[in-house]
Amino acid sequence: DIQMTQSPSSISVSLGDRFTITCRASQDIGNYLSWYQQKPEKSPKLMIYRATNLEDGVPSRFSGSRSGSDYSLTINSLESEDTGIYFCLQHKQYPRTFGGGTKLELK
Amino acid sequence: QVQLKETGPGLVQPTQTLSITCTVSGFSLTSYYMQWVRQTPGKGLEWMGFIRSGGSTEYNSEFKSRLSISRDTSKNQVFLKMNSLKTEDTGVYYCARDGEYYGYPFAYWGQGTLVTVSS
Repeated sequence: DIQMTQSPSSISVSLGDRFTITCRASQDIGNYLSWYQQKPEKSPKLMIYRATNLEDGVPSRFSGSRSGSDYSLTINSLESEDTGIYFCLQHKQYPRTFGGGTKLELK
Repeated sequence: QVQLKETGPGLVQPTQTLSITCTVSGFSLTSYYMQWVRQTPGKGLEWMGFIRSGGSTEYNSEFKSRLSISRDTSKNQVFLKMNSLKTEDTGVYYCARDGEYYGYPFAYWGQGTLVTVSS
């Protein structure tokens, strides 16, 4: 199975700040990486698919990128509605596997 | 529009069998794979398995021996059954569907159903 190592596990950020979450894949997943946001008591919501593609309706302050086996989600100019838990998912092969999650809180 | 909704028992006793129904609308089960994902305190989000548009299934080896996924296309329902439940199976169980084109995973989710395994 492909292991997805996500960091950091939690982070406190100030409004307007920029921050980045990273997932490292244990083997090549060829950009088949998606990012999800989860609010308390809600289902995960797809934010970015195939590493860099923004889902419809997702604000442009969100972006995805890749550097080698590291995939990153960046939020420019954090807004209060961006708090929650973010997960990465590799969908190169089954079993699909998730990262452990990053809890984003406001400082 | 695409909608998915899980219904489950809430509380299940250890060693018993879990049964969850996912009722869908806005699309046909014969056109899309339907997936099951769970979220537990111990292991986070885990892909459990899927049923193909043609009706065949694939399971995560973590669950293979005790998991079964089936469907009733006439009722637009997909079923998850898992036996020999343990306390660590406590969590939220989701049905999910990919988007309309390749590389667009888990674009749609149900609201999830909380399952507590306890005596």
